[in-house]
Amino acid sequence: DTAVSQTPKYLVTQMGNDKSIKCEQNLGHDTMYWYKQDSKKFLKIMFSYNNKELIINETVPNRFSPKSPDKAHLNLHINSLELGDSAVYFCASSILGGNEQFFGPGTRLTVL
Amino acid sequence: AQSVTQPDIHITVSEGASLELRCNYSYGATPYLFWYVQSPGQGLQLLLKYFSGDTLVQGIKGFEAEFKRSQSSFNLRKPSVHWSDAAEYFCAVGAPGNTGKLIFGQGTTLQVKP
Repeated sequence: DTAVSQTPKYLVTQMGNDKSIKCEQNLGHDTMYWYKQDSKKFLKIMFSYNNKELIINETVPNRFSPKSPDKAHLNLHINSLELGDSAVYFCASSILGGNEQFFGPGTRLTVL
Repeated sequence: AQSVTQPDIHITVSEGASLELRCNYSYGATPYLFWYVQSPGQGLQLLLKYFSGDTLVQGIKGFEAEFKRSQSSFNLRKPSVHWSDAAEYFCAVGAPGNTGKLIFGQGTTLQVKP
């Protein structure tokens, strides 16, 4: 009974491709997030959604588009992948606006 | 602007020794403070949090942290480190309000010597 799950765990792709990462939480939380962890392990928030509504949209290229079909799911679609997109992407969830966040296991994206 | 600094990029301690990981934050008001641990290849797990009240907070796995407003610090401590504590540790600050945004420090890698 995984709380926050992500698929796939690993994703290797070529530059220029389009890919999606999926996230699901079964905690009944209202808010979901995407974070990017770079090669130096620095974590930075990208987006957050409250009940399918975009709340936080940090300075992220518009090639990245989050989609929330319902409050239990937040997917990340990335167009025209670039080498610099290689990173680990973490999904997280919390109660509405809560800072105590529960993280998924991460998706390691490698762009060749 | 809010920021979090973890001055120690890498720390090595012997098993059984005490541990203190430093965290300093910059924030205009009293923030919400967190420590997360990331084991290799894993997601982040919450160790403990401070919202208000008692400035010494207890967490899981025998960790504790102390909030010191005068020093803008929230250092993580453990009296006796186990080999399984080897991991990456992140301090984070969250703004009160309803965005839930967390700002993370750079992380401290803990290595435990047998």
